[in-house]
Amino acid sequence: GAVVSQHPSWVICKSGTSVKIECRSLDFQATTMFWYRQFPKQSLMLMATSNEGSKATYEQGVEKDKFLINHASLTLSTLTVTSAHPEDSSFYICSARSQGRGENTIYFGEGSWLTVV
Amino acid sequence: AQSVTQLDSQVPVFEEAPVELRCNYSSSVSVYLFWYVQYPNQGLQLLLKYLSGSTLVKGINGFEAEFNKSQTSFHLRKPSVHISDTAEYFCAVSVRGSQGNLIFGKGTKLSVKP
Repeated sequence: GAVVSQHPSWVICKSGTSVKIECRSLDFQATTMFWYRQFPKQSLMLMATSNEGSKATYEQGVEKDKFLINHASLTLSTLTVTSAHPEDSSFYICSARSQGRGENTIYFGEGSWLTVV
Repeated sequence: AQSVTQLDSQVPVFEEAPVELRCNYSSSVSVYLFWYVQYPNQGLQLLLKYLSGSTLVKGINGFEAEFNKSQTSFHLRKPSVHISDTAEYFCAVSVRGSQGNLIFGKGTKLSVKP
């Protein structure tokens, strides 16, 4: 089946630094990718929608200058958390929409745990 | 706007007992409905989805769900649970014709005890 891979699975960074999380669709082309954030014991909240070759669309309240999203190819989207702070510590999950496999064939990555110290 | 309500934040149940996890949604437009499972420290796995057709949907691991349009519900059921079913379960909707972004409920923690 289709696989979406996220890397790294776990990352610890110092406050003030930037960290990049990659989301790859391994066996299909993803025209659209989504980035979600999940706080401990809470639900997933959509941060932004990225379409290949265009700027991401951010949800209300999400700082686009802080959470940089790039979707440069049909198989890769990246989320960069800039000038990270402890409150950015969270579980980040991406999902990818499969092109040509139906409107709602969406696959999730395994998620990335970010801890800012 | 759409919203998803999972009425039970935690559901404890004994092994081999039946279980129902409740999900209600609100939307002024047609939606697709999903159930996902999240095991500790892992991503999401699709259990089942309702797009159209038969309102009773069967998914993986013996789960099934029934779409009830009049009650705007999509409850998840399993006739006999196992210890390995212990996980967080999320109900979600996406608007028909949208790009596919999902609106999630707050999740239900299913704890299966021996």
